Amino acid sequence: DAGVIQSPRHEVTEMGQEVTLRCKPISGHDYLFWYRQTMMRGLELLIYFNNNVPIDDSGMPEDRFSAKMPNASFSTLKIQPSEPRDSAVYFCASSSTLSPNYGYTFGSGTRLTVV
Amino acid sequence: AQKVTQAQTEISVVEKEDVTLDCVYETRDTTYYLFWYKQPPSGELVFLIRRNSFDEQNEIRGRYSWNFQKSTSSFNFTITASQVVDSAVYFCALSRGQAGTALIFGKGTTLSVSS
Repeated sequence: DAGVIQSPRHEVTEMGQEVTLRCKPISGHDYLFWYRQTMMRGLELLIYFNNNVPIDDSGMPEDRFSAKMPNASFSTLKIQPSEPRDSAVYFCASSSTLSPNYGYTFGSGTRLTVV
Repeated sequence: AQKVTQAQTEISVVEKEDVTLDCVYETRDTTYYLFWYKQPPSGELVFLIRRNSFDEQNEIRGRYSWNFQKSTSSFNFTITASQVVDSAVYFCALSRGQAGTALIFGKGTTLSVSS
């Protein structure tokens, strides 16, 4: 398996622009998580899905952030409009309730810089 | 509420020294899971271990060992005979007993191993 795939790996954008981060979970995994990592706040959960349905979005910072999971193999995290304080590394992770240890597998992350 | 505390922000050791990374957790659940992840300078999050709340046996994997003590709500990680390649940020994390719930991370401990 190729693991959790995130794109792009790096994104630099100007303040006010729309940014879309993409994630392909491991095939067969029924949970997908979006995390954000910053120096100040560490790793914080933004939102997670089960079988493509959002379960908990209480970590989404504000209305500028939105996430979708149109099918089991794809999810997006969109920021519109972007602000400099959104600069962070965004991780996607997936897990399966059926795997023996139901560990969480993380993608390589997208490093977002908003200038 | 669930919480993970890693009181050591940074640790510096010389190669071949043993080092212990502390992790203290808070939860009201009787069933829960504890994790350790490694984040090397390249940035990805690497799964190291998962332990459930009913298994207090210590575990040893090569130079790595983990000590889980429910009485003190701690899940400490020891690296024996540290190596330069062990330099990374190490995160302790907690999840609730139900499958598929999100990970709650500590702030991480940065370990620097010099030669």
